[in-house]
Amino acid sequence: IAGITQAPTSQILAAGRRMTLRCTQDMRHNAMYWYRQDLGLGLRLIHYSNTAGTTGKGEVPDGYSVSRANTDDFPLTLASAVPSQTSVYFCASSDSRGGNEQFFGPGTRLTVL
Amino acid sequence: GQNIDQPTEMTATEGAIVQINCTYQTSGFNGLFWYQQHAGEAPTFLSYNVLDGLEEKGRFSSFLSRSKGYSYLLLKELQMKDSASYLCAVMDSNYQLIWGAGTKLIIKP
Repeated sequence: IAGITQAPTSQILAAGRRMTLRCTQDMRHNAMYWYRQDLGLGLRLIHYSNTAGTTGKGEVPDGYSVSRANTDDFPLTLASAVPSQTSVYFCASSDSRGGNEQFFGPGTRLTVL
Repeated sequence: GQNIDQPTEMTATEGAIVQINCTYQTSGFNGLFWYQQHAGEAPTFLSYNVLDGLEEKGRFSSFLSRSKGYSYLLLKELQMKDSASYLCAVMDSNYQLIWGAGTKLIIKP
């Protein structure tokens, strides 16, 4: 693989269910990010990781959790999905946290009913 | 609060020039980014400005004035494939990107 991959591409989920969105990069980037994109709004940061083993909260972290066990993988978990979490989710990575271009995965379109 | 403003939608003609403006108010400033996003796809990087002035890259140029909290993206010799949303984002003092809602650019033949 080259770049960032996300899985699944799309998912329809019943409210209350648990869901993990997967993200893998092969660029050996230190920093990784999860964003959600909603119509009419800018991308909003959910969680980030500056390096393997560390994570931080972004602008809209409630209802989401992340882990960073290694450099390549950065899964996002919705413990108990709610309809307001219906969105397009993008994973991104950059060489370091500041001043570097972020590379985006293809996105996961999630619908919570 | 932090705010990024850009027009919601613009229309231009193939072969012409278009300027997309972005104004920002953020907690600190560590650079301004422009990204292109085609419908249903991921954002892709276009440009980065951290100092005042114009950065040129082929048909695309980006300008920054930090004192005015203002940037623009200039697209020359427009092509149909330039139809996309253009996202302005500012890196704040915490090195977090604050994103505008994007400008949808429609190119007409």
